[in-house]
Amino acid sequence: AQKVTQAQTEISVVEKEDVTLDCVYETRDTTYYLFWYKQPPSGELVFLIRRNSFDEQNEISGRYSWNFQKSTSSFNFTITASQVVDSAVYFCALSEAVGAQKLVFGQGTRLTINP
Amino acid sequence: GAVVSQHPSWVICKSGTSVKIECRSLDFQATTMFWYRQFPKQSLMLMATSNEGSKATYEQGVEKDKFLINHASLTLSTLTVTSAHPEDSSFYICSARDTLFYNEQFFGPGTRLTVL
Repeated sequence: AQKVTQAQTEISVVEKEDVTLDCVYETRDTTYYLFWYKQPPSGELVFLIRRNSFDEQNEISGRYSWNFQKSTSSFNFTITASQVVDSAVYFCALSEAVGAQKLVFGQGTRLTINP
Repeated sequence: GAVVSQHPSWVICKSGTSVKIECRSLDFQATTMFWYRQFPKQSLMLMATSNEGSKATYEQGVEKDKFLINHASLTLSTLTVTSAHPEDSSFYICSARDTLFYNEQFFGPGTRLTVL
């Protein structure tokens, strides 16, 4: 069975600090996808990234970066120079690459950026 | 970009009534749609997978007779909460998978259901 663990329930930092959100996953599939979503107070999920299990390259998009370590089954997300607008709940998710491709979500990390 | 809408965005109903939530893919065809439920301060839990023209596949523990899903076209899936009770109050989110971009899944904005 697939499982995603986000051990950090809540994180609070001061604006401009860097913050890393951890994500550890479990799957027996050799091919799978990993995702990060942002959920602001409005509730609508905002897609951030999808990573194929074959692609272990780290990715950077502006202030966001992702570190995929297959050896430790982790897919961590770092926000550099955090801003108040980054405050939200962040979910890491996993799906099989074939078949129904249902998403399994982690418990989420509530990130608060204080001015 | 691909857009998924949900209607209504919020609904309040009395206990015992039924509520229908619509999920539409506005600019793409979706053979598969998913329904998730999210209780306050919790994660999203998949309720069912909806396939166009066939019966939905429900996750373990989800009552198929209570949560009726119909996926009658490539752009519309509906979730009907029958005989709703206060414990059904939740945030219901759908997602749709684009048949052209097979692995892309797009989420709707969600529907907040409150049962009094």
